[in-house]
Amino acid sequence: KQEVTQIPAALSVPEGENLVLNCSFTDSAIYNLQWFRQDPGKGLTSLLLIQSSQREQTSGRLNASLDKSSGRSTLYIAASQPGDSATYLCAAPNSGNTPLVFGKGTRLSVIA
Amino acid sequence: NAGVMQNPRHLVRRRGQEARLRCSPMKGHSHVYWYRQLPEEGLKFMVYLQKENIIDESGMPKERFSAEFPKEGPSILRIQQVVRGDSAAYFCASSRGQTDTQYFGPGTRLTVL
Repeated sequence: KQEVTQIPAALSVPEGENLVLNCSFTDSAIYNLQWFRQDPGKGLTSLLLIQSSQREQTSGRLNASLDKSSGRSTLYIAASQPGDSATYLCAAPNSGNTPLVFGKGTRLSVIA
Repeated sequence: NAGVMQNPRHLVRRRGQEARLRCSPMKGHSHVYWYRQLPEEGLKFMVYLQKENIIDESGMPKERFSAEFPKEGPSILRIQQVVRGDSAAYFCASSRGQTDTQYFGPGTRLTVL
């Protein structure tokens, strides 16, 4: 059974700083991994999806990497802005199945 | 292309009433997933449907909860005889194929009085 862990649970950084969010998963037999953003009281916004054959994906200031052998993924945010403040969720499929297993998220605050 | 739509956005029910949550997937998506987010907890998978079929309901409570995705119309998550512990945000997601990106709706926030 897949388990997803995210560290740290919360992070506060000054504006402009580069930062890394960590995600680990127990079952490496995944076909992809997704990173989401959730604003308070809102739904989830898909940020990046990395297929199992890929090592990383980039979108603007975001870069996500995937290392299946070690069961880790990282989300790198460059030049952070106050608008990046949100909870970031990592999700991986359960073994061989489609439904996603979510970590508890990293709550990010970017201070102006 | 409209995103995943859910309604109502907020739903208040008294204990013992029924709650019906609706989800319209993105155009061209035939895979629908329901997740629940309890206060201060992470999102948990409930049920996965593909047009008229339940593929995986391993996360759904055995009693009072049911889901359907008819050939025509939205997917429905139905909760009978609601209890206070059902209060949560219920999110629907859809995808084009089984391994494609899941796109999430804004959620329905259910409050049981």
